[in-house]
Amino acid sequence: ETGVTQSPTHLIKTRGQQVTLRCSSQSGHNTVSWYQQALGQGPQFIFQYYREEENGRGNFPPRFSGLQFPNYSSELNVNALELDDSALYLCASSFRLAGSEQYFGPGTRLTVT
Amino acid sequence: AQSVTQLDSQVPVFEEAPVELRCNYSSSVSVYLFWYVQYPNQGLQLLLKYLSGSTLVKGINGFEAEFNKSQTSFHLRKPSVHISDTAEYFCAVRIGNEKLTFGTGTRLTIIP
Repeated sequence: ETGVTQSPTHLIKTRGQQVTLRCSSQSGHNTVSWYQQALGQGPQFIFQYYREEENGRGNFPPRFSGLQFPNYSSELNVNALELDDSALYLCASSFRLAGSEQYFGPGTRLTVT
Repeated sequence: AQSVTQLDSQVPVFEEAPVELRCNYSSSVSVYLFWYVQYPNQGLQLLLKYLSGSTLVKGINGFEAEFNKSQTSFHLRKPSVHISDTAEYFCAVRIGNEKLTFGTGTRLTIIP
């Protein structure tokens, strides 16, 4: 059974640029959630995708967008990067069941300069 | 909306001593409760979860937690810690299959 994988592991971008982060779900999982973890903070929910549609969104501006593909893999896109976007971005996959465990990937460390 | 409070940002403990990491939550509806561990430069790993039933939940690596509905708490405990337990610990709540809401984390440092 393959776990959740994310790419790239590290990324450095300049303010104003755009970035795409990728996530491959654990086999059989149909739901993907994205979280932002700033340094020294707990993860903050960005959004969740189920059956290729956004299914819940946290307090993040529209320049944060996502996609889920038929194979349940997912992308997180961030436009017009700001310095405060520097963080660890975590992807988690799960079944769409109440209380089901979310399995986290290792994260992508984004640095905006 | 639900929220999670981890009052202790850092907890130093001597090796082989017991430890308790505190977690309190706020919610107007029933929630599911989780504890995750994060080792340096890694993602989150589930330690244990409370969905229903027995209020004492046992997890991996010798950790356990007790759900107390009247005090809205879900404290994490281990009777004897090891150097390898050094990590960041996050308490989280979830309503149904919605998002996880995390606390700010507790850094557990084991002193040899």
